[in-house]
Amino acid sequence: DQQVKQNSPSLSVQEGRISILNCDYTNSMFDYFLWYKKYPAEGPTFLISISSIKDKNEDGRFTVFLNKSAKHLSLHIVPSQPGDSAVYFCAASGGDNDMRFGAGTRLTVKP
Amino acid sequence: DTAVSQTPKYLVTQMGNDKSIKCEQNLGHDTMYWYKQDSKKFLKIMFSYNNKELIINETVPNRFSPKSPDKAHLNLHINSLELGDSAVYFCASSQWTGVAPYEQYFGPGTRLTVT
Repeated sequence: DQQVKQNSPSLSVQEGRISILNCDYTNSMFDYFLWYKKYPAEGPTFLISISSIKDKNEDGRFTVFLNKSAKHLSLHIVPSQPGDSAVYFCAASGGDNDMRFGAGTRLTVKP
Repeated sequence: DTAVSQTPKYLVTQMGNDKSIKCEQNLGHDTMYWYKQDSKKFLKIMFSYNNKELIINETVPNRFSPKSPDKAHLNLHINSLELGDSAVYFCASSQWTGVAPYEQYFGPGTRLTVT
């Protein structure tokens, strides 16, 4: 049972434009959400997180939005840069160490 | 200076063999994890250890056994390897505060191929 879903396996964006990566979850007990970025042949690296008591968290070019009623979160990258090209994983947790990951979305930023 | 390291990076072996993957973290974290990334690219947690105690154990076959000699190491032993064990295995670590989950730091992964 995939409790965290990233329905878009890939996304292509022009450099300088906004990238929007989406994530849906089914477990209403999740109260903490994270985004990880993964380059080929490397492990995932933490990017940004959000607690369920917030609806937005911003860190530089990266902003995560959380819509609890829709059980949906999104990651906005603006402006997108070629170095942002990677696989982005959405993850969710219910307050313990048990973190559930989505299948990832491959972002390609074209120069 | 690598924060979370895994060895080997690649492992090719035959069905029925027993193998181990080592993981070390130098971040001073008290919790370590093993994840399996399957052919569909899902990252699924297998085990986590907090202060040398197993605190999560998903429905993983008992052929897989984590061993933690100390807080900085969590090794993964796999007995009687099967074709379906072929995957990329990631080790990770984090610091547990008892309040909320936080980011986990991942190793580079070990690609296991069972022939």
